[in-house]
Amino acid sequence: DTAVSQTPKYLVTQMGNDKSIKCEQNLGHDTMYWYKQDSKKFLKIMFSYNNKELIINETVPNRFSPKSPDKAHLNLHINSLELGDSAVYFCASSHIHRRENSPLHFGNGTRLTVT
Amino acid sequence: DAKTTQPPSMDCAEGRAANLPCNHSTISGNEYVYWYRQIHSQGPQYIIHGLKNNETNEMASLIITEDRKSSTLILPHATLRDTAVYYCIVRGANPGSARQLTFGSGTQLTVLP
Repeated sequence: DTAVSQTPKYLVTQMGNDKSIKCEQNLGHDTMYWYKQDSKKFLKIMFSYNNKELIINETVPNRFSPKSPDKAHLNLHINSLELGDSAVYFCASSHIHRRENSPLHFGNGTRLTVT
Repeated sequence: DAKTTQPPSMDCAEGRAANLPCNHSTISGNEYVYWYRQIHSQGPQYIIHGLKNNETNEMASLIITEDRKSSTLILPHATLRDTAVYYCIVRGANPGSARQLTFGSGTQLTVLP
């Protein structure tokens, strides 16, 4: 009964390849996020979708393209992978249309290693 | 966006209370204080949040100063499983406030046996 699930858990690939990470939430939330955690452990927000609409797009290379087929899914596609893309990527969800934002629920991360 | 300042690390003896401070002196009136923790190799986990009143749940208590410029997360009886990085963030209620959810470096709490 995992609330926010990401696949795969580990992803090892070579430079220049294209890869995707999938995320699904079964909490009924209307907003989903992608975060990147680098080697220094900072968690930086990359994208946020609210009801399938992109609401946050931080300074991220356009090689990264999020896709939200429905409210429960937010996938991350990365083109032409580079060494600096190696990190742990976390998906999260919350409910945003309330007087106060509900807390974020995170998945357990996808560790991407680019060689 | 309000920024937060936390000590990089703290130790606590098992069974004792762990008090984790956070400064957020630029917090605005409609911004909430949230606490999360990240146990090694897992995703961040929500702990508690509050606006101006003290809050308590099954995991922890949150004490917010009257001027709201700082807060303290209290784990009343720390266990070894509470060893984690604890993040304090502040965030408003509007959709764009999700930008504030970039986490800083947090406090590494180590619970010692």
